[in-house]
Amino acid sequence: DVKVTQSSRYLVKRTGEKVFLECVQDMDHENMFWYRQDPGLGLRLIYFSYDVKMKEKGDIPEGYSVSREKKERFSLILESASTNQTSMYLCASSPLGLAGGRGTDTQYFGPGTRLTVL
Amino acid sequence: SQQGEEDPQALSIQEGENATMNCSYKTSINNLQWYRQNSGRGLVHLILIRSNEREKHSGRLRVTLDTSKKSSSLLITASRAADTASYFCATDRWRGGKLIFGQGTELSVKP
Repeated sequence: DVKVTQSSRYLVKRTGEKVFLECVQDMDHENMFWYRQDPGLGLRLIYFSYDVKMKEKGDIPEGYSVSREKKERFSLILESASTNQTSMYLCASSPLGLAGGRGTDTQYFGPGTRLTVL
Repeated sequence: SQQGEEDPQALSIQEGENATMNCSYKTSINNLQWYRQNSGRGLVHLILIRSNEREKHSGRLRVTLDTSKKSSSLLITASRAADTASYFCATDRWRGGKLIFGQGTELSVKP
């Protein structure tokens, strides 16, 4: 079974702190994603990566950065945490798209990190 | 912007009843997926239906896709209390693995 792990289930940080959220997958997937989930807003894509050292902005990248130095690890960084970044953060991975680029394969999610910024 | 929109937002039924959730989307897709999320946890993939398929089954799940109406439905038959969760549809935007998730239907199955 695919396993996606996230470094913390719950995290409490103070405004202005630098926050690192780590995600590791064990299935050699090319694609990795970071989402945040808020009530009434659903899942919103922050950043994603198709390959090592490669990253692309999602829908809400402001205030975040990412790092992918190894294929299995994708880190989300909050450079200076703010209270509006209090949220559930979900990491996901998926294999390369179907042959010919038609369609999107299943995404496998980690358990989530509930971050509270005080 | 969110492409998939689920309807209803919340659904409460008794154990043994069937639950139907709907998803509408705006642009052409290659496939549509349904995911489940238990409270406070990550999402779990349930089923994927491709644009050239009309219906797909997996255990007690039945998914239909109508590309002319840009809509899909998820039917859970003989529901159980353990089916209580939020259910999301997700559509792909373009090649490369990106999905757009709807805001979900919160299903409550009462024993």
